[in-house]
Amino acid sequence: DAGITQSPRYKITETGRQVTLMCHQTWSHSYMFWYRQDLGHGLRLIYYSAAADITDKGEVPDGYVVSRSKTENFPLTLESATRSQTSVYFCASSERKDTQYFGPGTRLTVL
Amino acid sequence: GENVEQHPSTLSVQEGDSAVIKCTYSDSASNYFPWYKQELGKRPQLIIDIRSNVGEKKDQRIAVTLNKTAKHFSLHITETQPEDSAVYFCAARDGGYQKVTFGTGTKLQVIP
Repeated sequence: DAGITQSPRYKITETGRQVTLMCHQTWSHSYMFWYRQDLGHGLRLIYYSAAADITDKGEVPDGYVVSRSKTENFPLTLESATRSQTSVYFCASSERKDTQYFGPGTRLTVL
Repeated sequence: GENVEQHPSTLSVQEGDSAVIKCTYSDSASNYFPWYKQELGKRPQLIIDIRSNVGEKKDQRIAVTLNKTAKHFSLHITETQPEDSAVYFCAARDGGYQKVTFGTGTKLQVIP
């Protein structure tokens, strides 16, 4: 678990501001994922990446942007934050063994 | 895409009793089914998983069963303990990619 970290752990921002959530893993896993967790919805996939410079949309990508220039980092950017993006965000990584390992999460509040 | 339904949304059991959580999936190509446990304020953590070529898997007090024909799978926890109290998520991974679709979770409360 210590191999995947997220920063910041807590963030409060205002509507319309740009916010970037960071994810870093030390296992050299090929796959990385961003999920958001909201009550009643479980974990919903925002974006995922199969390798550096390869990203693809998940279930709820609107309003988010990702990049992956290095294998170990997978930042998630909210270009213009909205109140509906208030959520807990989890990053995860995996190899082709299927098991996804989750980071500690970032609690984001958009005022 | 894949759709995973999970029931019940909440479950209360007496300590020592068994708990069963059920999930159904829609994509017959899905071939990997993990279960995650999430304690309050913590990250989801894998507790057991099963692949489509296996019907049942056990790990101490936890077992998972898979019925590919009916497209449903279940988590069984025996001799429940207070530390089993948490939210449990089932999930299904489609056959071609690493994308995993999660159920909406079951909040399990074990009453001492």
